[in-house]
Amino acid sequence: AQTVTQSQPEMSVQEAETVTLSCTYDTSESDYYLFWYKQPPSRQMILVIRQEAYKQQNATENRFSVNFQKAAKSFSLKISDSQLGDAAMYFCAYIPEGYGGSQGNLIFGKGTKLSVKP
Amino acid sequence: NAGVTQTPKFRILKIGQSMTLQCTQDMNHNYMYWYRQDPGMGLKLIYYSVGAGITDKGEVPNGYNVSRSTTEDFPLRLELAAPSQTSVYFCASSSMWEGTGELFFGEGSRLTVL
Repeated sequence: AQTVTQSQPEMSVQEAETVTLSCTYDTSESDYYLFWYKQPPSRQMILVIRQEAYKQQNATENRFSVNFQKAAKSFSLKISDSQLGDAAMYFCAYIPEGYGGSQGNLIFGKGTKLSVKP
Repeated sequence: NAGVTQTPKFRILKIGQSMTLQCTQDMNHNYMYWYRQDPGMGLKLIYYSVGAGITDKGEVPNGYNVSRSTTEDFPLRLELAAPSQTSVYFCASSSMWEGTGELFFGEGSRLTVL
């Protein structure tokens, strides 16, 4: 079965510092996508970053970057220069490529609650 | 730009009651989804739709029904509400033309069944 594991229920970071959130996944597929979603207290889920498994280069989006280790099935999120607005739940998610119409069947981890201290 | 709009945001139901959660998107997306999020858990897919008139079950469909008569609307119906359906429900949509990836979510509907 495909699973996504986030081993850190809660994390804390000082404003302007860097924090890394961990995610591991289990799959027998070779082609898939990985995502990090942010859920602020307002509850609305927002896509932070996406990684295609066939790409060796790690994805980056401004202060957000990932460390994708395909062989180890690891997909960590690094947040640099943390800001108060980064405080939220962060969910790692996975979907195999070619899932067709059920592309919304993302498999989510349980989330990591990130607190940012001023 | 409204995006995905869900109503109501909060609702309390008694056991055995029925209700419909409304979801509308104005992005002309083909795909729409309903998820539920239980405390301390990620999201689980209830139902999804790839276009008007087409729906299919997700991981946890029991106790729910959906319809998709238009591209914009994807209501979720709860029949005979049970305490196990206490959860936060999210509607989402995506465009098939943008490939697998970004889902646009509504703000969620918190449902409590007592």
